[in-house]
Amino acid sequence: DTGVSQDPRHKITKRGQNVTFRCDPISEHNRLYWYRQTLGQGPEFLTYFQNEAQLEKSRLLSDRFSAERPKGSFSTLEIQRTEQGDSAMYLCASSQGILFFFGQGTRLTVV
Amino acid sequence: AQSVTQPDIHITVSEGASLELRCNYSYGATPYLFWYVQSPGQGLQLLLKYFSGDTLVQGIKGFEAEFKRSQSSFNLRKPSVHWSDAAEYFCAVGSPPGSYDKVIFGPGTSLSVIP
Repeated sequence: DTGVSQDPRHKITKRGQNVTFRCDPISEHNRLYWYRQTLGQGPEFLTYFQNEAQLEKSRLLSDRFSAERPKGSFSTLEIQRTEQGDSAMYLCASSQGILFFFGQGTRLTVV
Repeated sequence: AQSVTQPDIHITVSEGASLELRCNYSYGATPYLFWYVQSPGQGLQLLLKYFSGDTLVQGIKGFEAEFKRSQSSFNLRKPSVHWSDAAEYFCAVGSPPGSYDKVIFGPGTSLSVIP
């Protein structure tokens, strides 16, 4: 499978714990995006990388959130001191232009 | 700023009936427009896209959409709905290449299909 892959698919964590998600984009894609989707809502933009450079962060991305793409390939999204409001589906997408390809997402549940 | 509205939160149609899902966008220039479908627990799948040219675009699974600049709309249609079309549908708007290629999604329309 050469699509966008995300790991893990599901994560349950206790409030206050740190979590890290991984996204492997399509190999030739230089752009990588993170979105968050809560129940009954459309995906909301979080952040965007072109190669290893993080070019924009949404105001939704509080100081507890950090994303990296160290070698311009895979990316990680870390949430520190998780809160119940962080419970959501975290979607990763990659693109070479305007066509986005999404992974299946990581569903985070904070209990 | 770009924005997308989908006026219908939930729609129910009978199998075999026609379908139209509404989408309105706000964007300063000619946008790039998309429709995505998301089945429960799944990622987003691109149904179709409009970049330029013919304002009626064909997509996968028998879907089509029409771009109407005067109405700032990009409604999705299907002449005959199948039970497997039950899913969440998202309209999205993006920037042309050369600018920041962020895609903004609407809130989605949930489609239920009655056998």
